[in-house]
Amino acid sequence: RKEVEQDPGPFNVPEGATVAFNCTYSNSASQSFFWYRQDCRKEPKLLMSVYSSGNEDGRFTAQLNRASQYISLLIRDSKLSDSATYLCVVSQGYSTLTFGKGTMLLVSP
Amino acid sequence: DGGITQSPKYLFRKEGQNVTLSCEQNLNHDAMYWYRQDPGQGLRLIYYSQIVNDFQKGDIAEGYSVSREKKESFPLTVTSAQKNPTAFYLCASSSGGSGYTFGSGTRLTVV
Repeated sequence: RKEVEQDPGPFNVPEGATVAFNCTYSNSASQSFFWYRQDCRKEPKLLMSVYSSGNEDGRFTAQLNRASQYISLLIRDSKLSDSATYLCVVSQGYSTLTFGKGTMLLVSP
Repeated sequence: DGGITQSPKYLFRKEGQNVTLSCEQNLNHDAMYWYRQDPGQGLRLIYYSQIVNDFQKGDIAEGYSVSREKKESFPLTVTSAQKNPTAFYLCASSSGGSGYTFGSGTRLTVV
């Protein structure tokens, strides 16, 4: 079983739509969780950390379900500029990060 | 402004040649990392270093070498033993249990 699994997509949505991505992780000892955004041929950039209580940053909401070992990212009111690949990332404490392969989002006019 | 600088942005290597990728950070981060990304693939860890003069192998260290003589610098050498070196190489740094800050990457191509 892969350590971090994501649906590769692409998810094709119109502007203004709400879209959700899920990610599952295999290591129950994972302690830190993140969503990164990666534009084509660019480096990944931290989008948001994911906390057990869930957290929101503008149009983006992230949630963590430790019992089922999955993480979600919800994007409301999608913009053209949201088109990118979204990477699910987990860490076992102060250690290296393990990256999923990413989910591609394409927002169309 | 603080950040991570990778150079060069593009690098071409001949068969049998060693090449070194530079990574410098001025964020005062203790930990630094090297990842490789192939098309359609996730990031795979090559080497990482949590303190100066110490580093550990990641998942795909064969054919690579690193050094960490200064806190700010973590160069990666791609040796001739790496049989499939064409990839996008990403350097990152972190402090504590926070997320990473990445450099802008180096695209290495074997010619």
